[in-house]
Amino acid sequence: DAKTTQPTSMDCAEGRAANLPCNHSTISGNEYVYWYRQIHSQGPQYIIHGLKNNETNEMASLIITEDRKSSTLILPHATLRDTAVYYCIVRPQTGANNLFFGTGTRLTVIP
Amino acid sequence: GAGVSQSPSNKVTEKGKDVELRCDPISGHTALYWYRQRLGQGLEFLIYFQGNSAPDKSGLPSDRFSAERTGESVSTLTIQRTQQEDSAVYLCASSQADLSSYEQYFGPGTRLTVT
Repeated sequence: DAKTTQPTSMDCAEGRAANLPCNHSTISGNEYVYWYRQIHSQGPQYIIHGLKNNETNEMASLIITEDRKSSTLILPHATLRDTAVYYCIVRPQTGANNLFFGTGTRLTVIP
Repeated sequence: GAGVSQSPSNKVTEKGKDVELRCDPISGHTALYWYRQRLGQGLEFLIYFQGNSAPDKSGLPSDRFSAERTGESVSTLTIQRTQQEDSAVYLCASSQADLSSYEQYFGPGTRLTVT
């Protein structure tokens, strides 16, 4: 039971901003939006998360629409090392019984 | 500090054999998760431990799968009578608590191949 929808793949030119969309139209009021990425042959890596306000850290920015039904992860200056599968996940405030990673978006950064 | 570690990194076993996979979480992390990732697919939740509470085993695919955790330390995932469809990367993650304000830290995984 997928709670998020993401494009299967995207390309981005090196040095440009990568904008990865995610739809989560059935998100509940107590559910956070998380983004993780998985570089080939490694475990997933946390990127950022948010509830309703936009968030920014050293890795990325997260823009959540006002109705919270979709969000966009922004990598401001993509590098070749950002090539990975990016997972958008919605997660309740407590209780991790139904974590679902889905298949994510495969981002390829092109030189 | 040290991250989540898993052993072995690779395991090849014959169909029908039992295997045991180990996860060492980050010290002080009370929540621990096991996931399975088949080739080219997303992560599949298996089991979750939170402190001394009863684990959530709802993601375990069959009774051949079991996991244990001693307190807030090491966890082992055991697969009995392995089948070829058990071939996958098994990932362990830990977090400070079962709250959405805390991110999960993943280990490098154990790649299991059942021949």
